[in-house]
Amino acid sequence: NFMLTQPHSVSESQGKTVTISCTRSSGNIASNYVQWYQQRPGSSPTTVIYENNQRPSGVPDRFSGSIDSSSNSASLTISGLKTEDEADYYCQSYDNSNQVFGGGTKLTVL
Amino acid sequence: QVQLQQSGPGLVKPSQTLSLTCAISGDSVFSNSAAWNWIRQSPSRGLEWLGRTYYRSKWYNDYAVSVKSRITINPDTSKNQFSLQLNSVTPEDTAVYYCAREGNGYNSWFDSWGQGTLVTVSS
Repeated sequence: NFMLTQPHSVSESQGKTVTISCTRSSGNIASNYVQWYQQRPGSSPTTVIYENNQRPSGVPDRFSGSIDSSSNSASLTISGLKTEDEADYYCQSYDNSNQVFGGGTKLTVL
Repeated sequence: QVQLQQSGPGLVKPSQTLSLTCAISGDSVFSNSAAWNWIRQSPSRGLEWLGRTYYRSKWYNDYAVSVKSRITINPDTSKNQFSLQLNSVTPEDTAVYYCAREGNGYNSWFDSWGQGTLVTVSS
């Protein structure tokens, strides 16, 4: 099995742009889709990006996703930061019959 | 819109069996495009996928290696729900447990989640 590694925390000011990385330990990041989930305290996770760069309906276009094969990583970028974006963010991918989550990144909006 | 409603006890004694149920509305446990999962979350382990069940002309299960010897996930077709049983629990199994749907086939993403159940393993 592979692991997905995320920074423990990031912080940025309102109105700015922040990028959260998710690095796959083995295997090609492009081999399997990457998803991103937002989790606010006391709530269940919700999807903000699926299939690397697709947004579910209702997710603002301030949220975008990408993958980079050269660094074997995926990224979630949030532009025009709002206080409501403050939450934990998790990446997720899979291989064979196994689902894997990253350790999560706490986003603080200053 | 799919809704998942979890039920089950919040306290389990060590060495006993943890049992949770997830009732499905807005979809069918027989769906050929969905898979029904259990995921847990704890401060020490983060989000941890435990396993799933899905129907593709017959029933299939996949389980995480970490719990494979202790876990059973079963569909309950008469009630349109599915269940989790985790045997021989220890305090390390204390976590918030979620049921979740993969709505675009297995090995996709979790598009619907239950409300979460905090399960504490303690005597």
